[in-house]
Amino acid sequence: GAVVSQHPSRVICKSGTSVKIECRSLDFQATTMFWYRQFPKQSLMLMATSNEGSKATYEQGVEKDKFLINHASLTLSTLTVTSAHPEDSSFYICSAVVPGLAAERDTQYFGPGTRLTVL
Amino acid sequence: KNQVEQSPQSLIILEGKNCTLQCNYTVSPFSNLRWYKQDTGRGPVSLTIMTFSENTKSNGRYTATLDADTKQSSLHITASQLSDSASYICVVSPGGGSYIPTFGRGTSLIVHP
Repeated sequence: GAVVSQHPSRVICKSGTSVKIECRSLDFQATTMFWYRQFPKQSLMLMATSNEGSKATYEQGVEKDKFLINHASLTLSTLTVTSAHPEDSSFYICSAVVPGLAAERDTQYFGPGTRLTVL
Repeated sequence: KNQVEQSPQSLIILEGKNCTLQCNYTVSPFSNLRWYKQDTGRGPVSLTIMTFSENTKSNGRYTATLDADTKQSSLHITASQLSDSASYICVVSPGGGSYIPTFGRGTSLIVHP
């Protein structure tokens, strides 16, 4: 199956600093990637849809100036949490959709996630 | 409003036993339904995917069923193993060219030796 990687797997930072998380599709090109946030014992919450070569589409309630998304290539999307605060501590997961095959269409392949802790 | 409800919220079973997880949805129009397994601290991994015309789909010891009329799905796990301990998430896609699915809250399964 399709492989999606994330880096780093976990990061601890001080309040007020910015953190960048990378999401890569390793064996396919992804024109669309998604960023999710997951709090303990909660379901995944979609933050934004990242489209290669264009601006990301943010879900209601997600601050676009705080969560900067860049999708500069077909295999890489980045999420930057700017001026992080303790309430931003969460598990951030990206996913990508495999284009082409009907059997795979709509199936989202998820990265392993990034655990962000803001002190 | 599109919704996906899962039950039970959590489940504890003994190793070797079978169990069934439930998923009810109100997503419309409907494209497909997927079950994911999410280990603690990891991203979800797809177990099965079913379209409107499919009633059942198996993946090893995992068997998913779909009743598109009643908008219900189940995931049956046979001969559970300790490694089955995880959260199982039901995800329904609306179709119509949209990639934005609706996620259930998941069922937390714990398998005890």
